Formats: sequence, structure tokens, C-alpha cells
Amino acid sequence: SQTIHQWPATLVQPVGSPLSLECTVEGTSNPNLYWYRQAAGRGLQLLFYSVGIGQISSEVPQNLSASRPQDRQFILSSKKLLLSDSGFYLCAWRNRAGGTEAFFGQGTRLTVV
Amino acid sequence: AQSVTQLGSHVSVSEGALVLLRCNYSSSVPPYLFWYVQYPNQGLQLLLKYTTGATLVKGINGFEAEFKKSETSFHLTKPSAHMSDAAEYFCAVNSDSWGKLQFGAGTQVVVTP
Repeated sequence: SQTIHQWPATLVQPVGSPLSLECTVEGTSNPNLYWYRQAAGRGLQLLFYSVGIGQISSEVPQNLSASRPQDRQFILSSKKLLLSDSGFYLCAWRNRAGGTEAFFGQGTRLTVV
Repeated sequence: AQSVTQLGSHVSVSEGALVLLRCNYSSSVPPYLFWYVQYPNQGLQLLLKYTTGATLVKGINGFEAEFKKSETSFHLTKPSAHMSDAAEYFCAVNSDSWGKLQFGAGTQVVVTP
């Protein structure tokens, strides 16, 4: 069966510090991968999606970047965090071949202080 | 373009009463529609989905939803609420081949004894 792992679960970082959140998927190949953010007053927002290694599409302009160094690994990064980067970050995957629904990880709660 | 509107950010129901969560969507092409549930500090869990075919779809935990094209709606119901149904519920639409989801703002369900 397929599983998705996100870590860390909780993170408190000072303003201006770097960020790296990691997501890995097991039990499937060539998935579509997504990063969503859930922030107060802004609902669930798609940040990035990827259809293959090294292929990243950004949905909104922001202080964040994403990378996909391996087929089942998706990383969300920032060089310098802002207060507005606080939120709940969710990684998701979808089967590229005939898949319809997305499956979500357990999320990372990021608080920038 | 696609969008989702969930009517009511908070719904309070008595245990054993009907749960009805409303979702309306807009999409320029036939959409895939989803309901997800989120418990505090957790990821999103798929309740049910509509892709094609039968317009009444059944999901986990006794929930069901009906796709009504003429009303552009996908309301979620459960005949009898249980205390464990207390959570936040999100309606989502996908209208593209990349699997990008557009979410509604969410409805927080409170179940009272």
C-alpha cells in the first residue's frame, strides 16, 4: 500500500532563518506531488506541484521554493523565513496514471517567530 | 477557472441528527469533486469523490454526497451524526489534468450530545 511521510510535524523558526520541509511517498512510482499551505484566513492554497523529477510549477508568488530531487521526494524550502510563512503545510500525492484523488500527509505546523 | 463555495463556516448538530454540508462549485469543464475531512493538527482524509457515472456517491463513515450538475452542487450528508464526526470538512474541485485541487473555505462541524 502507498504511504506518505512528512517531517517534521512541528517547527518553530525565527524570522530570517532557512527552512526545509521534506515529504516522501512509498509504494508508488511517478506520482504527481503537491505542496499546500493552510493559513488562518486564507484557507487551503496550492503552492507547488510537480509531475516529475526536477519539474516544479509554482502557483503563487512567494518566499518559498520547491524541489524534487528524486521521484518520490518533494522538498519545500526557504532561504529566509517571514512571519507570513507561518501555517500548516501539507504534502500530497496523486497517481499520475489514472488517478483522481489526492492523498495527504499528516502536515507540518510551522510557526515563524 | 474553477472555484468552490461552502455555505456556513460553522455548523452545530445534535448527536443523532442529520448532517448537511453545502458545497457549490464552478468549473468550465466537467469536474472531479471531493469531500475531505480534517481532524485537529492532522492531514486531510478523503471521505468520498465524484468523477463520472452515478451521481449519488457513498463514502466512509456513513457519509454520502450527490452531484447535481444543474445546480452545480455537491452537498454532503450523513443521516445521523456521531460525536466522532466533529471535525473540519472541505469540499474540493479538480478540473485539470494536473490534479490541482481548489478547496472551499471549510466547514467546522460541532456535534453536541
